Amino acid sequence: ETGVTQSPTHLIKTRGQQVTLRCSSQSGHNTVSWYQQALGQGPQFIFQYYREEENGRGNFPPRFSGLQFPNYSSELNVNALELDDSALYLCASSFERNYGYTFGSGTRLTVV
Amino acid sequence: AQTVTQSQPEMSVQEAETVTLSCTYDTSENNYYLFWYKQPPSRQMILVIRQEAYKQQNATENRFSVNFQKAAKSFSLKISDSQLGDTAMYFCAFISSSNTGKLIFGQGTTLQVKP
Repeated sequence: ETGVTQSPTHLIKTRGQQVTLRCSSQSGHNTVSWYQQALGQGPQFIFQYYREEENGRGNFPPRFSGLQFPNYSSELNVNALELDDSALYLCASSFERNYGYTFGSGTRLTVV
Repeated sequence: AQTVTQSQPEMSVQEAETVTLSCTYDTSENNYYLFWYKQPPSRQMILVIRQEAYKQQNATENRFSVNFQKAAKSFSLKISDSQLGDTAMYFCAFISSSNTGKLIFGQGTTLQVKP
């Protein structure tokens, strides 16, 4: 049984650019949530996808968008990057929106 | 709105000793779950222990146990026989039974176990 895999592990982008982060869910999991974790802070909920549809969203602007694919892998897209978008982005998967989330090791995004 | 507060930004403990990390939360709901997660330098959030709010008995997992006080909305984590590998950031988190999509995290407590 594989865990949650995120790619890339590190990324540097320039302000104004767009970025796509990827997440491969744990085998058998059909729900994925994305979190943003600023340095020294707790993770903040961005949104959740369940069976390929957005199923809840936190307090993030529309330039944060996502996709979930039929194999339940997922993408987080961020447009018009701002310096404050620099953070660790965590993906977590579960089965049927159950609270038993498994987290990946995250993607460290730096916006310069 | 639900909130989770961890009032201890940093703590340290000697190896083999016991340490308690504090967490309080605020919610108007009656059915929810509480968690402690560990985040080592590898960055992956690892579930340490969870507590269902409807259960009065405090959860335990080997050296880890909680003191769940529902009326006081308090959920502390006790680590017994601390080991060097326990050094990490610890997060308290809340999830509502009616919205299992959204984990709400506290600000975290950095724990250092000293040899």
